[in-house]
Amino acid sequence: QVQLQESGPGLVKPSQTLSLTCTVSGGSISSGSYYWSWIRQPAGKGLEWIGRIYTSGSTNYNPSLKSRVTISVDTSKNQFSLKLSSVTAADTAVYYCARDHVHIAGYYMDVWGKGTTVTVSS
Amino acid sequence: QSVLTQPPSASGTPGQRVTISCSGSSSNIGSNTVNWYQQLPGTAPKLLIYRNNQRPSGVPDRFSGSKSGTSASLAISGLQSEDEADYYCAAWDDSLKEVFGGGTKLTVL
Repeated sequence: QVQLQESGPGLVKPSQTLSLTCTVSGGSISSGSYYWSWIRQPAGKGLEWIGRIYTSGSTNYNPSLKSRVTISVDTSKNQFSLKLSSVTAADTAVYYCARDHVHIAGYYMDVWGKGTTVTVSS
Repeated sequence: QSVLTQPPSASGTPGQRVTISCSGSSSNIGSNTVNWYQQLPGTAPKLLIYRNNQRPSGVPDRFSGSKSGTSASLAISGLQSEDEADYYCAAWDDSLKEVFGGGTKLTVL
């Protein structure tokens, strides 16, 4: 059974780059036609999709974050990563990684990590 | 402000049937499928319904989804106390992003 685990610093200074990694266990990140997504949720608020990556390296990013986001994959480590640059307090949130199924009329995220809290503060 | 519109709250008594609506547009719900996620307090979201009306293995058949035009609905029958959670609808938008509703907090009275 595939499981996902986010990791990375819990505190990032304003203007710096937030870096998180999602480790996939219980299966290969390269198997099946899956994308791998990042989603975030500010405290007490709703979900915001950040972007997704296919193991080929193909990516989709939320247009509102695209200028600051980079998602990459390391198949040898069974991991994918998120970098968000020039962070502000508005980027403080719980960050989730998820496995994404793709089909002709959209996507759905069937496996989620437990989430990791990132606070942007000096 | 979320692209998909959900009521902020819903409630029901045990055993009752509750529905949660999700309204979108032709660029998301109108042209792509809808998913529903359940988020229990303090936990990560969990896939509840995918491709409008499909239940993942392990999700009780008390949960059902439907879609018509640019709107979708989640129905929960035989409401139980453990159904108390936040529920989010989501869909792919043709502007090349995944969009979510603002979430509906379901209270079991």
